[in-house]
Amino acid sequence: EVQLVESGGGLIQPGGSLRLSCAASGFTVSSNYMSWVRQAPGKGLEWVSVIYSGGSTYYADSVKGRFTISRDNSKNTLYLQMNSLRAEDTAVYYCARYRVRGVITVHYYGMDVWGQGTTVTVSS
Amino acid sequence: QSALTQPPSASGSPGQSVTISCTGTSSDVGGYNYVSWYQQHPGKAPKLMIYEVSKRPSGVPDRFSGSKSGNTASLTVSGLQAEDEADYYCSSYAGSNNFGVFGTGTKVTVL
Repeated sequence: EVQLVESGGGLIQPGGSLRLSCAASGFTVSSNYMSWVRQAPGKGLEWVSVIYSGGSTYYADSVKGRFTISRDNSKNTLYLQMNSLRAEDTAVYYCARYRVRGVITVHYYGMDVWGQGTTVTVSS
Repeated sequence: QSALTQPPSASGSPGQSVTISCTGTSSDVGGYNYVSWYQQHPGKAPKLMIYEVSKRPSGVPDRFSGSKSGNTASLTVSGLQAEDEADYYCSSYAGSNNFGVFGTGTKVTVL
């Protein structure tokens, strides 16, 4: 079964750090584009970061320089290292597989597999 | 990195149709045929309903359809059912630095 399971969320003080994990089963993380998306309480979805199958990484302006996306191929797991956390980073964080097709010409199919989410609360 | 614009709410009676708009710019919706739509029930993870503007993943009912004209994409839900009551978000590929910009979200109510 294709599945993503996030962990690592919790309560953290402003300025602190946290690392989220996203364990995949049924497919290979390193062969896919993988993304993090967050949702603040009562708010909409916000794209946070993506890592391409080739290893390139990209970030939303709101987290650039503070968050780092990475993966461990041996563990088939995606990570999000979050530093210098702020109150506005409080949200449910989802990992998702972003399905693409092609190499030279890439077609972007959207996020077809999602985890259940992990909650990050930044508060003193 | 501005969010795409959606109406906050839409509603319809069972069996009727509802259409949700998603307005962006030539840098996102208008520039690529990579608009996707997601359904989210309360407390649940989003679910992909439409990709590449109008294609449905396996298992998504054909009551859900998508289209695009210029900088505006649309999702239509025909034959509304009670289980269609949810929040819906559009998203567009917009280049690597704005990879998956989302819409503001629309709450669909089945009357």
